[in-house]
Amino acid sequence: GQQLNQSPQSMFIQEGEDVSMNCTSSSIFNTWLWYKQDPGEGPVLLIALYKAGELTSNGRLTAQFGITRKDSFLNISASIPSDVGIYFCAGQTDSGTYKYIFGTGTRLKVLA
Amino acid sequence: GAGVSQTPSNKVTEKGKYVELRCDPISGHTALYWYRQSLGQGPEFLIYFQGTGAADDSGLPNDRFFAVRPEGSVSTLKIQRTERGDSAVYLCASSATGTSGETQYFGPGTRLLVL
Repeated sequence: GQQLNQSPQSMFIQEGEDVSMNCTSSSIFNTWLWYKQDPGEGPVLLIALYKAGELTSNGRLTAQFGITRKDSFLNISASIPSDVGIYFCAGQTDSGTYKYIFGTGTRLKVLA
Repeated sequence: GAGVSQTPSNKVTEKGKYVELRCDPISGHTALYWYRQSLGQGPEFLIYFQGTGAADDSGLPNDRFFAVRPEGSVSTLKIQRTERGDSAVYLCASSATGTSGETQYFGPGTRLLVL
């Protein structure tokens, strides 16, 4: 099935560092979302974006909806050990069923 | 409970067997989605229910897969003649009405292993 291109695939960072990851698509989306998934759990919503150019923050997390509507990025500032996990972007089209198309995930490991 | 629940949490079966996976959505949510997540991948859409009806089943890989939601709440994903390639985490999500931009809340998933 279709999946969005997400990069980087994985990253190891030191505690306190800032993290940036992005997601690109060949299709236009009306909504971009960022989820975090911990081992053995389902994805949990971090940030939802609804308009091209929108910049939204949630604590140490900031995400932007790209102007072209084909990309989005997520930044995490001052990372802490509990930020470890897999981060997925997801896009939603105006297809009538509003299913999500997910990215391939960015695996984040934070070294204390 | 407040969230989406799925049972069983783990299922091991033999190739060729039939399995049923259950999803209890958030109470009052009319939209229900099934996704499949293979190892190292993001979730992939399988089927979407609006109430009791399957509004979009375009993600079901073949006719061995079938899902029902007879009373518009609990849903069951059924897999016939299981194959080793069916091994994955099956995630269920629900949202209030299924409209654009609405948050989907995910359950913890059922981990299916076909031997």
